[in-house]
Amino acid sequence: DVVMTQSPLSLPVTLGQPASISCRSSQSLVYTDGNTYLHWFQQRPGQSPRRLIYKVSNRDSGVPDRFSGSGSGTDFTLKISRVEAEDVGVYYCMQGTHWYTFGQGTKLEIK
Amino acid sequence: EVQLVESGGGLVKPGGSLRLSCAASGFTFNNAWMNWIRQAPGKGLAWVGRIKSRTDGETTAYTAPVKGRFTISRDDSKNTLYLQMTSLQTEDTGVYYCTTGPFDLWGQGTVVTVSS
Repeated sequence: DVVMTQSPLSLPVTLGQPASISCRSSQSLVYTDGNTYLHWFQQRPGQSPRRLIYKVSNRDSGVPDRFSGSGSGTDFTLKISRVEAEDVGVYYCMQGTHWYTFGQGTKLEIK
Repeated sequence: EVQLVESGGGLVKPGGSLRLSCAASGFTFNNAWMNWIRQAPGKGLAWVGRIKSRTDGETTAYTAPVKGRFTISRDDSKNTLYLQMTSLQTEDTGVYYCTTGPFDLWGQGTVVTVSS
């Protein structure tokens, strides 16, 4: 199984400051079709998860442009340019290249 | 409105069975691959299984811990996805979500508790 490792697991951030979450996979996520199926999800307290970013760097509709995704191969990053109060929650990366596995989650809180 | 609504969760004893449903609306369900995801209390997300569309063979796939115990099916005439769970274990406790194939739409989840 592909193991997804996120860091940090806890991320206290001051409002208005940037935040960054790393996600590393145990093997390359480049699929035979050339796509990299690495996605990011946000789960706000008490809510269902919501997809933010698909295939590394594509923002979903309605997702603020302060969220961005980057990376390649086995190393990926989710960045929030300026954290707002509504960004509190747990963020998960997920790979869909070799079946489906999620990272452990990163809990973002306001400092 | 585009949405997924799960139902059927509840309390069941170890070894028991439960069938979850997921009603889809607002999109072309019969073209969609669908997944079930679960989340144990206070834990992260875990993929349970998926079913392809009928045109793609309606093939199913499952994570190892549920193979042989869980069955995913669909009724395109009712726009509904199902998860039949048998031989339930305490480790199966959690919130169960249905999602579309690309994970771009999620339901609100239904809670399954396996306890004696």
